[in-house]
Amino acid sequence: AQKITQTQPGMFVQEKEAVTLDCTYDTSDQSYGLFWYKQPSSGEMIFLIYQGSYDEQNATEGRYSLNFQKARKSANLVISASQLGDSAMYFCAMREGRGGGSQGNLIFGKGTKLSVKP
Amino acid sequence: ETGVTQTPRHLVMGMTNKKSLKCEQHLGHNAMYWYKQSAKKPLELMFVYSLEERVENNSVPSRFSPECPNSSHLFLHLHTLQPEDSALYLCASSQGDRDHQETQYFGPGTRLLVL
Repeated sequence: AQKITQTQPGMFVQEKEAVTLDCTYDTSDQSYGLFWYKQPSSGEMIFLIYQGSYDEQNATEGRYSLNFQKARKSANLVISASQLGDSAMYFCAMREGRGGGSQGNLIFGKGTKLSVKP
Repeated sequence: ETGVTQTPRHLVMGMTNKKSLKCEQHLGHNAMYWYKQSAKKPLELMFVYSLEERVENNSVPSRFSPECPNSSHLFLHLHTLQPEDSALYLCASSQGDRDHQETQYFGPGTRLLVL
């Protein structure tokens, strides 16, 4: 079963509008972390935002915010005031709690391709 | 400027060639990673090095051989690859500490084409 599900293969948004990219996760751990990365066509994965499972407030970083709904196991990324440079692939990832030999490595979703229209 | 660099950025090789991918991190991190990104597939973790010791090897074929001579450098040696190994290879680093976050920072990747 997929641990990270991103149901939107592609999304369009008008410049200056807000957009929400969906991410749901599956874990039985109490302690885990959720990440969002942006990957432009150049290939580099750019870290955007982090949410810890024990964080009571939703994470925010500039125009990025994470809508964390723990009971629903969702961690949607909200981008406000979209810009043309926001066009890219966006990946949701999870690090589960450490246990045994696990280093708590990242598990990535398949990504959502966001296209910002002028 | 990124704290993680990778060379070369593009590589075309034949199936009988031997080549190496290089990754260098300037962030003072103590863990480094190799990922493979194929078309329409999630990122696949290949290898993890923590404090220069390999701690994870996700059933990667032996034609991929990692090397971590120190905490700042990571190599991926390639030998007799197959066309299906064509992909974007991404290197990442992180600082392992008590903070659960341990964000991984990625390099720009090497686009590999195996003919």
